[in-house]
Amino acid sequence: ILNVEQSPQSLHVQEGDSTNFTCSFPSSNFYALHWYRWETAKSPEALFVMTLNGDEKKKGRISATLNTKEGYSYLYIKGSQPEDSATYLCARGYYGGSQGNLIFGKGTKLSVKP
Amino acid sequence: DAGITQSPRHKVTETGTPVTLRCHQTENHRYMYWYRQDPGHGLRLIHYSYGVKDTDKGEVSDGYSVSRSKTEDFLLTLESATSSQTSVYFCAISDPGSSYNEQFFGPGTRLTVL
Repeated sequence: ILNVEQSPQSLHVQEGDSTNFTCSFPSSNFYALHWYRWETAKSPEALFVMTLNGDEKKKGRISATLNTKEGYSYLYIKGSQPEDSATYLCARGYYGGSQGNLIFGKGTKLSVKP
Repeated sequence: DAGITQSPRHKVTETGTPVTLRCHQTENHRYMYWYRQDPGHGLRLIHYSYGVKDTDKGEVSDGYSVSRSKTEDFLLTLESATSSQTSVYFCAISDPGSSYNEQFFGPGTRLTVL
């Protein structure tokens, strides 16, 4: 199993703070990197999918970057709001494995205090 | 939202009883997955299916079996439930080649084994 690591495990910030967290993964046979947002008592929802080294994606105040050569992705949230509180999951797809499978990290749990 | 439903949404059962969880999709996606979510472990893949009657084991398949007789339905069976199988179970679907195998998740089933 090609482990995907996320750090930090949890993060507590004040409303208005900007924050970022990391997803690290083995770079071999890279196919795609997915970010999901997972609110408590709900199901994970897709944020971004990135495939090319140097990719940058943005949705509102949330953005992500990808480095496939060194095996990491950063997720940034600018001006955090209480509604951003959630667990952020990353997942890696890879060539050579069972087609369609993703390897998920354990997530970073973000809490934003008003 | 992707058309994915899970039933039941909540179930309490006793150790040693068989339990079947159902995942139903209306998206005609080829791939379907069963995950369990546990504190400290994130999402772990139990079984997956890459077509009707084509299934394979995931990371934590012991004690679980699956069946897929129709494209739209993927059943997860606990042959003899144990307390260690108390968890939240998520079904997911994906369409290979679409959005790099982005997975869409159902609402989850909370299972408690007493």
